[in-house]
Amino acid sequence: KQEVTQIPAALSVPEGENLVLNCSFTDSAIYNLQWFRQDPGKGLTSLLLIQSSQREQTSGRLNASLDKSSGRSTLYIAASQPGDSATYLCAVRFSGGSNYKLTFGKGTLLTVNP
Amino acid sequence: GAGVSQSPSNKVTEKGKDVELRCDPISGHTALYWYRQSLGQGLEFLIYFQGNSAPDKSGLPSDRFSAERTGGSVSTLTIQRTQQEDSAVYLCASSLAPREAFFGQGTRLTVV
Repeated sequence: KQEVTQIPAALSVPEGENLVLNCSFTDSAIYNLQWFRQDPGKGLTSLLLIQSSQREQTSGRLNASLDKSSGRSTLYIAASQPGDSATYLCAVRFSGGSNYKLTFGKGTLLTVNP
Repeated sequence: GAGVSQSPSNKVTEKGKDVELRCDPISGHTALYWYRQSLGQGLEFLIYFQGNSAPDKSGLPSDRFSAERTGGSVSTLTIQRTQQEDSAVYLCASSLAPREAFFGQGTRLTVV
């Protein structure tokens, strides 16, 4: 079964700290992997998309890496700010046919304390 | 519009009534997805449309749930004879499959 797991489920850090969120997936045959953030009561905001041929992607203070062979991705957030507080979700498109549906992890709830 | 639009944003309905949830995807996006997010739970896949291909309905939880996509654009998710366990946030997303997916703000459904 193709599954996505995110650890930890919750993380609390002081402002200014660098942090890493983890995502693991059970099948290395993927099209791509996408990181989202979700604020309470809101929809999902896309942060980064990494194609299967890529090792990492960067956007501002965010850097996402991908290691297909080990079935892992990390989201690195530099110099965290209280505004980064949200739930971060990892979603994988597994290969196979033409079905490009996203399989999600349960997310990591990040709290950045001022 | 610039993003994925969902309506209504909130819906309260009585148990047993039918509801329709609407999704307007980003113009030109060939793929459209519906997900459900129950309180404290992860995102549960419901249905996926890709161009003119037959939709993947494998995530629909019961035959009370159905969805259609007209003209390759707007999609409607219909829940018949609603039950309290149907209460959740229903999220729609679109993409130029298999590229970056963009989500709407969701419809919060409450069945009383």
